[in-house]
Amino acid sequence: QSVLTQPPSVSGAPGQRVTISCTGSSSNIGAGYDVHWYQQLPRTAPKLLIYGNINRPSGVPDRFSGSKSGTSASLAITGLQAEDEADYYCQSYDTSLSDNYVFGTGTKVTVL
Amino acid sequence: QVQLVQSGSELKKPGASVKISCKASGYIFTSYAMNWVRQAPGQGLEWMGWINTNSGNPTYAQGFRGRFVFSLDTSVSTAYLQISSLKTEDAAVYYCARAAGGHDYSFWYFDLWGRGTLVTSSS
Repeated sequence: QSVLTQPPSVSGAPGQRVTISCTGSSSNIGAGYDVHWYQQLPRTAPKLLIYGNINRPSGVPDRFSGSKSGTSASLAITGLQAEDEADYYCQSYDTSLSDNYVFGTGTKVTVL
Repeated sequence: QVQLVQSGSELKKPGASVKISCKASGYIFTSYAMNWVRQAPGQGLEWMGWINTNSGNPTYAQGFRGRFVFSLDTSVSTAYLQISSLKTEDAAVYYCARAAGGHDYSFWYFDLWGRGTLVTSSS
């Protein structure tokens, strides 16, 4: 059972903006630990999308952006495209458990 | 080319053991820790633990202590995950993932992933 909560699904029409929330607590995001985001296209391995809350690896379009505030973080996708249809996971470090790294529950993005 | 190449799918009977490999190329293997992540069918990502590629010292997440063993062969830049006494609920895709983010492991993220190895446990 993940300590980082995401909405199960979000959807939007092509060109729209969608956001995915990642809600944590004082033992992970709220403690100042970074949030990272991954995109998992159908039947493929996860791919790093955002690291260190706001940074995009080389090759990731600037349509993807991350933010963090308090005990939560968000991933925004602007100018939604059909190829963005995927599962998205947040990840952080947690001190309340013996498990160091935790993933969010995952969000399915559907392009209408 | 920087990549992690995992071994192929495995079909095993309950009670058997399986050993998955993850071969790194294109970078210095001992410069990055290697992590393992499980994804059960239709489920999310679950961090299993990591292995220090310099010392070989493994760290296991709470739910993966006992039957799960991480190991290395640095001479061939390969990490291994062995699962013993397989249970039907071990059926999942297992990913190796390289950790990046510097010396403070509390800020690590996983910047390079293998394609995953499907393990099926069925009689």
